[in-house]
Amino acid sequence: SYELTQPPSVSVSPGQTANITCSGDKLGNKYACWYQQKPGQSPILLIYQDYMRPSGIPERFSASNSGSTATLTISGTQAIDEADYYCQAWDNIVIFGGGTRLTVL
Amino acid sequence: QITLKESGPTLVKPTQTLTLTCTFSGFSLSTSGVGVGWIRQPPGKALEWLALIYWNDDQRYSPSLMTRLTITKDTSKSQVVLRITNMDAVDTATYFCARSWYSTSSPFEYWGQGTLVTVSS
Repeated sequence: SYELTQPPSVSVSPGQTANITCSGDKLGNKYACWYQQKPGQSPILLIYQDYMRPSGIPERFSASNSGSTATLTISGTQAIDEADYYCQAWDNIVIFGGGTRLTVL
Repeated sequence: QITLKESGPTLVKPTQTLTLTCTFSGFSLSTSGVGVGWIRQPPGKALEWLALIYWNDDQRYSPSLMTRLTITKDTSKSQVVLRITNMDAVDTATYFCARSWYSTSSPFEYWGQGTLVTVSS
């Protein structure tokens, strides 16, 4: 079965750039999307179709998808960005990554 | 404004069947391409997709759970119902419903608040 692998945790200093990866077999041939989830809240769609941002999502969130890795990039990371981040793709069914906890130190 | 809200029991006993309802507004499941899915999240763990149903009644299920899942829709009531049979403690989770589209590029763009279901005798 198809799997998406994310690092369990990523740490970043305020104002720096955070990169969160999502790996899967030939993931670049599929569309990836990303969600942000804060404690006790529902996930929020951050990125769809590899790099598209829904309206209302700050420009500091960007993403790419190539080869076997999709990457979510948060530029100028802020304390409010501390959350869990999930990638998602389709392989005839919906697949979620295991999630990455972003800590802003 | 698009909203979704999950409802159902907060506590079920092992072996029982769980029935969850997603009531939505701001869109119709009779609109071509629209879909509603269910995703769950055990406490402290990752999101897990369960099932999806589309406007044309096309149903998709997680292979690991498909023998236990049934998803149906009532377009007139703007509701999607998920049934999970033979509930076990490992099914304790927050259950979310979310809207999607009939495309492999489509994400879950709108989510409900989720409902916590505990499985315990």
